[in-house]
Amino acid sequence: DTAVSQTPKYLVTQMGNDKSIKCEQNLGHDTMYWYKQDSKKFLKIMFSYNNKELIINETVPNRFSPKSPDKAHLNLHINSLELGDSAVYFCASSQTPQGGYTFGSGTRLTVV
Amino acid sequence: KQEVTQIPAALSVPEGENLVLNCSFTDSAIYNLQWFRQDPGKGLTSLLLIQSSQREQTSGRLNASLDKSSGRSTLYIAASQPGDSATYLCAAPTGANSKLTFGKGITLSVRP
Repeated sequence: DTAVSQTPKYLVTQMGNDKSIKCEQNLGHDTMYWYKQDSKKFLKIMFSYNNKELIINETVPNRFSPKSPDKAHLNLHINSLELGDSAVYFCASSQTPQGGYTFGSGTRLTVV
Repeated sequence: KQEVTQIPAALSVPEGENLVLNCSFTDSAIYNLQWFRQDPGKGLTSLLLIQSSQREQTSGRLNASLDKSSGRSTLYIAASQPGDSATYLCAAPTGANSKLTFGKGITLSVRP
């Protein structure tokens, strides 16, 4: 009965590969997000979807492409992985863009 | 552009002490302010959410206050315990798409 679940929890891959991270929420929230936490532990938003519509797209390389098949799911696909992509990626959701957030437990991506 | 600041970056206190964690923000047009806890290698756990119309919220030994006019929020922890050791982050959504901006967090260590 996890509220926001991400898979996989850990991901180790080689440079140049393409990988996806999946996120699902069972809270009935309308808005979902992807955040990146870098090595200095700073959290920064990457994307936000409201009712499957992209509403926030920060300055993120276009190798990163979010996809929201429905309100409960927001996946993140990353092409041509680079060493600098190594980080922890968090999915989150909220009832509205102005509401309180619930975060997933994170996906630790390591690019070697 | 919203900027959220948390000072100091780290804090060490003896068990049993009451303590206050500070958070300041530059754009007072926030919808709410949320305090999170992050344990090492883990995700974010929501502690308290204060709506912009509220002055404070309480949960157990935690009390969070919000002063929009001065751009400040505080998280008060009563009778601290070693289990309170974690990083505490504050975050506030602002702007048309309510982008959630995080502070860099305060890493708290409670010594037995």
